[in-house]
Amino acid sequence: DGGITQSPKYLFRKEGQNVTLSCEQNLNHDAMYWYRQDPGQGLRLIYYSQIVNDFQKGDIAEGYSVSREKKESFPLTVTSAQKNPTAFYLCASSPLEGPYEQYFGPGTRLTVT
Amino acid sequence: KNEVEQSPQNLTAQEGEFITINCSYSVGISALHWLQQHPGGGIVSLFMLSSGKKKHGRLIATINIQEKHSSLHITASHPRDSAVYICAVTPYMDSNYQLIWGAGTKLIIKP
Repeated sequence: DGGITQSPKYLFRKEGQNVTLSCEQNLNHDAMYWYRQDPGQGLRLIYYSQIVNDFQKGDIAEGYSVSREKKESFPLTVTSAQKNPTAFYLCASSPLEGPYEQYFGPGTRLTVT
Repeated sequence: KNEVEQSPQNLTAQEGEFITINCSYSVGISALHWLQQHPGGGIVSLFMLSSGKKKHGRLIATINIQEKHSSLHITASHPRDSAVYICAVTPYMDSNYQLIWGAGTKLIIKP
């Protein structure tokens, strides 16, 4: 079945460690996105990519990094520079020409202590 | 002021009730989206609309472009409809097609 997979579903890390969240899609979508969701708040865009080897900062990119070496994959690294990394992270993809529907992965809940 | 406002923020109702969730926006749009997020966290797109009305099962979405307002209705609500409902818009002429998100409406349907 076509879709987006994120792994792991739950992730625990110690403060000061970098951590990479996986996102893979087999929908043949050009665009991919990373969002952060905090309790009671709307989604906030971290990074997005519209083509392989290119990506753009979203509203809250500080402390995060991404890569887009393959069309199917868009991993997100939460670095030690991110001051408050504990959150729910959602990956999404969509066709490039819009408007469009975004398709979401199941999310990764990251807890940093 | 947020560009996409949803109301109410929280809604609790009894099974069987007719539910209405509202979304107002302040920018020109090419599309409006309604999405559903279940307690497990996954998000599913329910509707994308640019005019008029769409229906899927017990869910109905309407949009009034002149008034910059959309509503999501649920008929014969059921406890399994309990979720967060999110409104988002695709701004008109945004070449990056980025969505502007509402904060969501948390719906609880009691049996």
